[in-house]
Amino acid sequence: QSALTQPASVSGSPGQSITISCTGTSSDIGGYNYVSWYQQYPGKAPKLMIFEVSNRPSGVSNRFSGSKSGNTASLTISGLQAEDEADYYCSSYTSSITWVFGGGTKLTVL
Amino acid sequence: QLQLQESGPGLVKPSETLSLTCTVSGGSISSGSYYWGWIRQPPGKGLEWIANLYYSGSTYYNPSLKSRVTISEHTSRNQFSLKLNSVTAADTAVYYCARARELREFDYWGQGTLVTVSS
Repeated sequence: QSALTQPASVSGSPGQSITISCTGTSSDIGGYNYVSWYQQYPGKAPKLMIFEVSNRPSGVSNRFSGSKSGNTASLTISGLQAEDEADYYCSSYTSSITWVFGGGTKLTVL
Repeated sequence: QLQLQESGPGLVKPSETLSLTCTVSGGSISSGSYYWGWIRQPPGKGLEWIANLYYSGSTYYNPSLKSRVTISEHTSRNQFSLKLNSVTAADTAVYYCARARELREFDYWGQGTLVTVSS
């Protein structure tokens, strides 16, 4: 079971849009619409931002959106704000009833 | 509001067994459609799924840790626990307990507890 592949870091200026990719295989991302995204601030627990590829939990800003194409999922943050600076992790359900996370992406707001 | 809280020793000696408990409040671990699990994060590194437990008692493990891990439930106390044996320094991490909605996302997380493996 290999971790999903994310870029180590991305950056953007306030007001811009950024996209974080998450690449897996046909046994995880490509096989199920069970991709989720988490935001994590230093020293804090992860917070669910997107579930089932593109759905937002109640209370999450509509500036956050998710999508999937083949074995790659993406998280897009539009109208970047300073408070969005955090680590972001993707996750997917996989075959054999297991879960896998991505390696994480550090978002820097310039 | 559902809350999860991890508890257990913060320091474990190499080769010994790490034992943690997750206490759930605001909901029952016996209710259907949810998996209860453990996820860890070594200092400065990413998240790693360890194991999940279904309300029926079925268990599921990360293949890379399966030989050393046991997850179990204590329904009467609304708790579930993690045991990881033969620990090494590589097992030093913040350990989170969390709830997974069916086969989907982890929607509720505990605050995490740091476990250090050192003599």
